[in-house]
Amino acid sequence: AQSVTQLGSHVSVSEGALVLLRCNYSSSVPPYLFWYVQYPNQGLQLLLKYTTGATLVKGINGFEAEFKKSETSFHLTKPSAHMSDAAEYFCAVIFTGGGNKLTFGTGTQLKVEL
Amino acid sequence: DAMVIQNPRYQVTQFGKPVTLSCSQTLNHNVMYWYQQKSSQAPKLLFHYYDKDFNNEADTPDNFQSRRPNTSFCFLDIRSPGLGDTAMYLCATSRDLNREQYFGPGTRLTVT
Repeated sequence: AQSVTQLGSHVSVSEGALVLLRCNYSSSVPPYLFWYVQYPNQGLQLLLKYTTGATLVKGINGFEAEFKKSETSFHLTKPSAHMSDAAEYFCAVIFTGGGNKLTFGTGTQLKVEL
Repeated sequence: DAMVIQNPRYQVTQFGKPVTLSCSQTLNHNVMYWYQQKSSQAPKLLFHYYDKDFNNEADTPDNFQSRRPNTSFCFLDIRSPGLGDTAMYLCATSRDLNREQYFGPGTRLTVT
């Protein structure tokens, strides 16, 4: 079955440290991939997307993600965490033949400490 | 700025009292979606409209209905809210199917 897995429901980093949020999907056909961020009591904001083309994708707020087909992964990174990055992050996927639906991972709560 | 707007941002209703949530968009997108998001969970798709075509998810309760009178507006009607319907309701739009979705700020609904 097609699915999206986010490893680590809670991740804590120090301000200025590398942020790495993991996302893996299960599908034999590369899907469309997205990362969203959600601040408390807010909607979801699109950080970045991969559909085709360059596998390293740059998004807003200094985030980037790399699509690795061989690893079926789309991990989100940021070189230096800022306090304002503290939020919930969702990896989301549109699977080919998946009824055009956005399938979400379970989310990762990022905490940034001084 | 083009955007997705939801009203109200917060809504309290009584058990069994019908409630309507509103979504509007200035993006002129073809597709509009409604999601339910409970605390510490991912959003769950309720239904979507592709233009005027309504698509209901198989596990969406009959208690939830939707209307899209024109391209810009879409409404979520909950006919007889139960306590379990307390959640954040998110509206999203996309230019077409299989495209990125843009979300509104959400309506936090509390059923008492």
